[in-house]
Amino acid sequence: QTVVTQEPSLAVSPGGTVTLTCSSSTGAVTSNFYANWFQQRPGQAPRSLIYSTNNKHSWTPARFSGSLLGGKAVLRLSDVQPEDEAEYFCLLYYGGAQPWVFGGGTKLTV
Amino acid sequence: QVHLVQSGAEVKKPGSSVKVSCKSSADTFRTYGFVWVRQAPGQGLEWIGGIVIAVDISTYAQKVRDRITITMDKSTGTAYMILNNLRSEDTAIYYCARVQNLGEFDSWGQGTLVTVS
Repeated sequence: QTVVTQEPSLAVSPGGTVTLTCSSSTGAVTSNFYANWFQQRPGQAPRSLIYSTNNKHSWTPARFSGSLLGGKAVLRLSDVQPEDEAEYFCLLYYGGAQPWVFGGGTKLTV
Repeated sequence: QVHLVQSGAEVKKPGSSVKVSCKSSADTFRTYGFVWVRQAPGQGLEWIGGIVIAVDISTYAQKVRDRITITMDKSTGTAYMILNNLRSEDTAIYYCARVQNLGEFDSWGQGTLVTVS
């Protein structure tokens, strides 16, 4: 069974920078995994932030960026704001009969 | 931004079925597909299935494969998720999400709470 792993929790000070990672039990994450990142605040539906590794939606704040680093998908938040406190989930594409797998989520405390 | 509106909360008995709808404000020709994701109380997100509109093919998570059906009514832009033989562990918020192109998730529905009790 494929497992996608994220840090369970991270903490950052306002104005700081934090990096969240997303790794695959199958090996290195590449652009073929179409990594997506979502933000979920308590009691709310998830919100899409990043798609296909590093692409932002029109509503994604500029301080969020996605990339690949060291065989992992990475979400970087710079100049962190209090409203960034939320849980962040990554999603990777594997194709086949069960194409999408979520990571367990990272709870970010600001 | 495309808006997705889901049907309301449901309370179901074990062994029964539930049908959740997800109506999109976007034309289906501009949509690659829809996925369904659920979140059990206090837990993370779980992909349970999806449909690719152009070829009308659905794929499902192994965990629910024998109990789930996902369909699309192109005339109304509404996706449906039916889950049969409900169990207590199916209690969760069910979300639909739109996939504009392969790998591009954009909009999410507000969620539908399904309680099996």
